[in-house]
Amino acid sequence: DTGVSQDPRHKITKRGQNVTFRCDPISEHNRLYWYRQTLGQGPEFLTYFQNEAQLEKSRLLSDRFSAERPKGSFSTLEIQRTEQGDSAMYLCASSTRFGGIRNTIYFGEGSWLTVV
Amino acid sequence: GEDVEQSLFLSVREGDSSVINCTYTDSSSTYLYWYKQEPGAGLQLLTYIFSNMDMKQDQRLTVLLNKKDKHLSLRIADTQTGDSAIYFCAESGNRDDKIIFGKGTRLHILP
Repeated sequence: DTGVSQDPRHKITKRGQNVTFRCDPISEHNRLYWYRQTLGQGPEFLTYFQNEAQLEKSRLLSDRFSAERPKGSFSTLEIQRTEQGDSAMYLCASSTRFGGIRNTIYFGEGSWLTVV
Repeated sequence: GEDVEQSLFLSVREGDSSVINCTYTDSSSTYLYWYKQEPGAGLQLLTYIFSNMDMKQDQRLTVLLNKKDKHLSLRIADTQTGDSAIYFCAESGNRDDKIIFGKGTRLHILP
């Protein structure tokens, strides 16, 4: 078990470009979450999946943001037409939930995005 | 809505105990967490407590929960320089496992 893996760890992009981040959860984890963390703030919830179904999206997730988890394993978070305000660390996390039983949520190391 | 509040800074002398406090608003919270974040790194889960517990101890860490006052604290005994980090208080309910974080308390260790 290698933990939650995120790629790339760092990305610098020009304003207006599209970027995509990938998250590989811990194997067998059926829940996957995306969070965003800006400097001096705590992580803010963006969206989460149960298997391949996207169950909730935060109002923070504007229409320039899209997340997918096509086969219920890895997930991608795409930001279109990036803006400087998108500069942040994007954190992925995963957990298991079967019926009423859930386990601890584990976070990856994050993907840093700098929009210049 | 849900909210988690914590003080932003704490300075403690090496060897002393650190106590980081947190309050939350959601009375349906079922899990309360403490995460540690070192510079440039992701979040490390330190410990968590179920809402039906008052206290949890794990080596140098003691978590106290006052559910009536919605107050959570983390005590780090014998604070070391390696404890210097930002500590996030967080909560989640049984509804969706979505974790709500506070803004974090930066712990500074004085020599």
